[in-house]
Order: sequence, then C-alpha cells, then structure tokens
Amino acid sequence: AQSVTQLGSHVSVSEGALVLLRCNYSSSVPPYLFWYVQYPNQGLQLLLKYTSAATLVKGINGFEAEFKKSETSFHLTKPSAHMSDAAEYFCAVSHYGNNRLAFGKGNQVVVIP
Amino acid sequence: AAGVIQSPRHLIKEKRETATLKCYPIPRHDTVYWYQQGPGQDPQFLISFYEKMQSDKGSIPDRFSAQQFSDYHSELNMSSLELGDSALYFCASSSRLAGVVDTQYFGPGTRLTVL
Repeated sequence: AQSVTQLGSHVSVSEGALVLLRCNYSSSVPPYLFWYVQYPNQGLQLLLKYTSAATLVKGINGFEAEFKKSETSFHLTKPSAHMSDAAEYFCAVSHYGNNRLAFGKGNQVVVIP
Repeated sequence: AAGVIQSPRHLIKEKRETATLKCYPIPRHDTVYWYQQGPGQDPQFLISFYEKMQSDKGSIPDRFSAQQFSDYHSELNMSSLELGDSALYFCASSSRLAGVVDTQYFGPGTRLTVL
C-alpha cells in the first residue's frame, strides 16, 4: 500500500525565512505526488504535483518541491515565508491505476512576524 | 474557472438521522471522489465513481452509500448517523480524458455535525 509520512505536525517559521516541509513516501510502484494547502474552513487547494516528468516541480505562490527517488522524498520549499502562507499543508500520493489519494498527517504552518 | 460545488456547506443532524451530501464536479470532469476529514485528521478516502460506475472503495461504513448520476453529480447518503460521523466531507473531481495523471480538484467541503 502507498503512504506518505510528514514529520512535525506544527511548523513555525519567521516571516522572510525559508519554509521547508518534509514528505517521505512509500510506494511499490512509481508514485504520483502532490502537495495541497488548506486554509482555515476551506477546501484543499493543489499547490503542485509530480507526475514522473521533471523532478523539480514549481507550484503556485512561490512553492516548489523536488522528487528524490533515492531518498523517497518530495519535500516542499519556499525561499521566503509570507504571513499569508499560514495554513495546513498535506502531502499525498497516488499512482497510475489506483487514483485514490493517501494523505500524510499534515503540517500546520505558523508564520511569525 | 468553475470549481467543485458542494452542498450544503454546513449540516447539523441528530444521532440516528440520515443525511445527504451533494457534489457537483467541474464541468467535463468524469470522476468524483469522496473523502472524510475528522477533526485534526488527514482526509481519508471513502469512495469514487468514474462514468457513473463505482471505481474504487475505501473505508466507507456500510451505513453510507453513494452514487453518481447521469449529469455526473454525486450524492453521499449517510444513515443511522453516529457522533463519530461528525467531520468535514470533501468531494473532488478529475478528468481522465485530460491525460494519464489523475489530478483531483477539491470542493470546499460539507461540515457535518452530529449531535
């Protein structure tokens, strides 16, 4: 079965500092990987996705993620945090032939002024 | 751009009552997914439909049923509600016609509270 692990449920970052959210996946077949963001009382918004093309994926709002097969990782980064980045971030995995998403536990990001 | 529509946005029910949640996918999307997100939890896959046929089934209780209609909208029916059913229910849609990768776009969710 496919799964993802996100460590550190709460992540605090200073405004202007690097945002780094870690995601490690487990999958017996080539994975598709996604990062979603959830603002309070809202749905899940797709930030970016990896679909076996370029390993460095750029998404919306200045976020990017790099797929590293050797490390089974898909970490999310943003060079400079903004107050508006405060939200919950979920990493998710699926693969061809099994489209259900398996989510990690999420990271609640707090941006400190 | 049109997004996934879910109704109602909020629903309050008593134990043992029934509830029906509706989902209207993005136009021309042929696949619908349902997820349940408990308080402080990650979303859990319940069930999906492709071209009006059930395509996958996850951890959906037997008390729940769902279907996709000819206009591609979907309904999740929940009976004999329990306190533990209180959660945010998401619908997502995708288009398999667009390519191999299934990218799911989520609606705003229905918050169900069971008292």
